[in-house]
Order: sequence, then structure tokens, then C-alpha cells
Amino acid sequence: AVQMTQSPSSLSASVGDRVTITCRASQDIRNDLVWYQQKPGEAPKLLIYAAFSLQSGVPSRFSGSGSGTDFTLTISSLQPEDFATYYCLQNYNYPRTFGQGTKVEIK
Amino acid sequence: QITLKESGPTLVKPTQTLTLTCTFSGFSLSTSGVGVGWIRQPPGKALEWLALVYWDDDKRYNPSLNNRLTITKDTSKNLVVLTMTNVDPVDTATYYCAHRFTTVEYNYWGQGTLVTVSS
Repeated sequence: AVQMTQSPSSLSASVGDRVTITCRASQDIRNDLVWYQQKPGEAPKLLIYAAFSLQSGVPSRFSGSGSGTDFTLTISSLQPEDFATYYCLQNYNYPRTFGQGTKVEIK
Repeated sequence: QITLKESGPTLVKPTQTLTLTCTFSGFSLSTSGVGVGWIRQPPGKALEWLALVYWDDDKRYNPSLNNRLTITKDTSKNLVVLTMTNVDPVDTATYYCAHRFTTVEYNYWGQGTLVTVSS
């Protein structure tokens, strides 16, 4: 199975900060990478698919980049509603595998 | 409007079989490119992908569950059923079902259902 390694596991940031989360795949997954946001007690919400395609309705401050094995989720200006846990998912092959998550906390 | 909802027991004893149902609306599981998957999340832990059934009845499973999973669909009733045999306390988790379409993986999710495995 493809292993997905996210970093950092947690970070503290302030409103307005630029935040970057990375996800590394154990093998080439082309651009078959998805990013989700999850808030406590809620189901995950799709943010980015195909590594950089913004899901409809998601604010443009979210962006994704990368291909092959290294991927990045960037929040250009962190907003109060962005404090959450973020997960990457590879949809290159089966079994699908998630990263271990990155918790974004208020500084 | 696409919605999904999971249902099933909240408490299961070790070694028993867990059966979860995902009832959905707003799409058809006979439409080309559509799939419904199951993902779980132990309390305080990361998401884990479990299984998926496609519109054409192609099924995929996570081999780490050691052949304990079976996924089926009933297109006429708009539901997908996940069965997990021989449950263990480590299977305690919130179980989600989710919709996928072509390259967009899991754009709609159910609210999740918490299943506790305990004697």
C-alpha cells in the first residue's frame, strides 16, 4: 500500500498567517491526491482534488500543488474558520490511504 | 441534493458481525462513474479507508482488514451495506459512507455513526 506521510502533525498559527502542509507519498502517485478539512464532530470536507483542483464552493485562499511524491496544501491567509485537522488521501491505487492528519491550532 | 446517512448498531460485542447501512439520495448507483465508499475513524485518530463499490458492482477492499469486509449495493433501494466480521475493540470508530464520482474522491459524506466494540 502507498504510505502517505503528512507534516507537520500539528501547527500553531495566527489569523492571517500563510500555512503550508505537506504530504509525501511512498511512491509516484502522479497527481492523484485529495485534501480534506475536518472539524471536531463533523465529517471531512473535500477541499482539493487532483492535487490542485479547487472543489466548488471552497474559498480561493486554499490551494494545492505538487505531483509525483510531494504535495502541498497552502492556506494563503488563515481565517478563524480554518482551524481544523487536514488530511491528504491518495486515490492513485487501492487500497486508498490517508495521511495521519495535520491539526491547525490557534496561536 | 446529495445526502448519505449511515445506520447500524452503536454497540457490538467482540467476535460478532457488524452490519452498517448507508442510505443515500440525490444520485443513482447505476450511473457510470459513481461509487460509494466506507471510511472509519477511531476516536482521536486518523481516517482509514475500508471499502468501495462502483456503479458496475466492482468492489475494492482494504487488505489490512484481513478479508473481514463485504460491501454490497442495492441500487433499487439506494443503499450500500458494509459487513465486518469478527469485530474487536480496535474496530471502535466512527464509520462514514461517502460518494465519489469519476476523479472526485468523496465529495459528499454522511454524518458518521459511532460504533463501540465492547463486551
